[in-house]
Amino acid sequence: AQRVTQPEKLLSVFKGAPVELKCNYSYSGSPELFWYVQYSRQRLQLLLRHISRESIKGFTADLNKGETSFHLKKPFAQEEDSAMYYCALYREYGNKLVFGAGTILRVKS
Amino acid sequence: ETGVTQTPRHLVMGMTNKKSLKCEQHLGHNAMYWYKQSAKKPLELMFVYSLEERVENNSVPSRFSPECPNSSHLFLHLHTLQPEDSALYLCASSPWTGLSYEQYFGPGTRLTVT
Repeated sequence: AQRVTQPEKLLSVFKGAPVELKCNYSYSGSPELFWYVQYSRQRLQLLLRHISRESIKGFTADLNKGETSFHLKKPFAQEEDSAMYYCALYREYGNKLVFGAGTILRVKS
Repeated sequence: ETGVTQTPRHLVMGMTNKKSLKCEQHLGHNAMYWYKQSAKKPLELMFVYSLEERVENNSVPSRFSPECPNSSHLFLHLHTLQPEDSALYLCASSPWTGLSYEQYFGPGTRLTVT
C-alpha cells in the first residue's frame, strides 16, 4: 500500500538555523512526490515537486529512491517559513495524492 | 474570483440541521476532491470525482453526501452531523492526469457542529 510518513509532528528551530523536514514513502512504482505548505490563515498550496528539481523560497527536496525519502531542506530558516508542511505521493490509480500527517515548522527569533 | 472558491467560509449548525457546502473551480480541471482537516487527523481524503463521476469514497459516513453536477461545481450535503464532524472542509481540483498534475485547494469551510 502507498504510504507517506512524516515522523515529526512539530519541528522548532531558530532563525538562521538549517531546516530538514523528513518524509519517507512506500510505493512499488516510480514515485511522484510533492511538498505542500499551509501558512497561517492561507490555503494549502504546492511548494515544490520532485520532477521539477527546483528551489522554491530557498527550499529543496531530493528524491532518494534507495532510502525511499524526500526530505525538505533549507540552509537558513526564516520566520516567515513557519507553517504546516505536508509531503504527498501521487497515486495514479484514483488520481489522488496520498498525504503524510504533516509537520508544523516553527521558526523562532 | 479565480482558482478554487468555497462557500460558506464559516458554518455553525445543530445536529438536526441540513446544510450544504459549495465548491467552484475556474481552472478548467476535471477532477474534484473533498478533504476533512482536523487536529486529530490533519488531512483526510473523503471523496474524489472525475468528470462528474464519483471514483472514490473513503468510507465516509452517509451523513455526508457529495454531489458533482458538472466539472466546475462540487457540493457536500450535510445532515444529522455529530460534534466530532466539526473541522475544516477543503475542496481541491486537478487535471485528471498529466505531468503537470497538481491539486489546487480552496480556502476551506470551517464547520462547527453544536
